[in-house]
Amino acid sequence: DQQVKQNSPSLSVQEGRISILNCDYTNSMFDYFLWYKKYPAEGPTFLISISSIKDKNEDGRFTVFLNKSAKHLSLHIVPSQPGDSAVYFCAASWGSNYKLTFGKGTLLTVNP
Amino acid sequence: DVKVTQSSRYLVKRTGEKVFLECVQDMDHENMFWYRQDPGLGLRLIYFSYDVKMKEKGDIPEGYSVSREKKERFSLILESASTNQTSMYLCASSRADSGIYGYTFGSGTRLTVV
Repeated sequence: DQQVKQNSPSLSVQEGRISILNCDYTNSMFDYFLWYKKYPAEGPTFLISISSIKDKNEDGRFTVFLNKSAKHLSLHIVPSQPGDSAVYFCAASWGSNYKLTFGKGTLLTVNP
Repeated sequence: DVKVTQSSRYLVKRTGEKVFLECVQDMDHENMFWYRQDPGLGLRLIYFSYDVKMKEKGDIPEGYSVSREKKERFSLILESASTNQTSMYLCASSRADSGIYGYTFGSGTRLTVV
């Protein structure tokens, strides 16, 4: 049972345009959501997070939106840069549970 | 600069060998994790530990065991390596309240079992 779903295995965008990566979840107990970025042959690195009491969190070019009623979150990257090309993982946790549940990832390619 | 260090970047082992993957963190984190990453399957949790000598199974513990004798070190053991354990292995650590702060990952160990 996949509780965190990233339905798009890959996404390709032009440099300077917006990248939108999507994530759906099924467990209504999740109250924290995070995005990680991973380059090949490296470990994932934390990018941005959002608490379930918010619907938006912004950090520079990166914004995460949370729609609790739809159990959906999205990561917007504006403007996209070639260095943003990586695999992006959505992750979720709840309460004092220290486990993160990850999606399968989306490979973002930003073309110059 | 805080770190999670995995002892090897690349390993090649033979089928049936006992394999040890080592992970050390210098952040005094309570929690440590072992994941494997496979194409199309994302990150899957093998084992985790929330305290010294404590361990809990993750989603795919079969064929693996772990050891945490010291707070900073978490070892993953493949009792008898098989070809289906060829994968990228990622260690991570986190504070006890990681729901907010998330994990810090190591760079990974690419294990090939032949």
